[in-house]
Amino acid sequence: DAGVIQSPRHEVTEMGQEVTLRCKPISGHNSLFWYRQTMMRGLELLIYFNNNVPIDDSGMPEDRFSAKMPNASFSTLKIQPSEPRDSAVYFCASSYNPGAVNGYTFGSGTRLTVV
Amino acid sequence: GENVEQHPSTLSVQEGDSAVIKCTYSDSASNYFPWYKQELGKRPQLIIDIRSNVGEKKDQRIAVTLNKTAKHFSLHITETQPEDSAVYFCAASIWTNAGKSTFGDGTTLTVKP
Repeated sequence: DAGVIQSPRHEVTEMGQEVTLRCKPISGHNSLFWYRQTMMRGLELLIYFNNNVPIDDSGMPEDRFSAKMPNASFSTLKIQPSEPRDSAVYFCASSYNPGAVNGYTFGSGTRLTVV
Repeated sequence: GENVEQHPSTLSVQEGDSAVIKCTYSDSASNYFPWYKQELGKRPQLIIDIRSNVGEKKDQRIAVTLNKTAKHFSLHITETQPEDSAVYFCAASIWTNAGKSTFGDGTTLTVKP
């Protein structure tokens, strides 16, 4: 398996623009998580899905952030409009939880810079 | 909700020495405790985990211990090497939360040659 695949790896955009981050989880994994990592705040959980259904989006900082998981093999995180304070590394992670918890496999991350 | 505290925030050791990182959790329902290693500029990677029905687990130079009564768990690295230098995160999970993990703030380990 190729692991969790995120795209793009790097994104530089101007303030006010829409940004879409993409994630393909490991096939067979039923939970998907979006995290944001900064030096100041560490790893922040933004939202997570179980069997394609959003379970908890309380970590989404503002209405400018939205996430979807239309099927088991694809998820997007959208920021509209983007702001400089959104600059961070965004990680997607997936796991398989068949009634017992297992660890995450993280993607390589998307480094977002909003100027 | 769950709260995980991790100490120390930074740790510097000489090559060959041991390193210990400690975490505490608040929710007694947590039953899975993974540890992740994140090298500079890379993704966090799972290096070892322990479940609540086990007190200790070892994998070569790394080991984890769990004290459910005290609600704390620790990562032990023996015979440290420069390539062990990284940020280490502990986490606590409850399976009823679809596998969601609550992470500690991380420990930056530096191994000096």
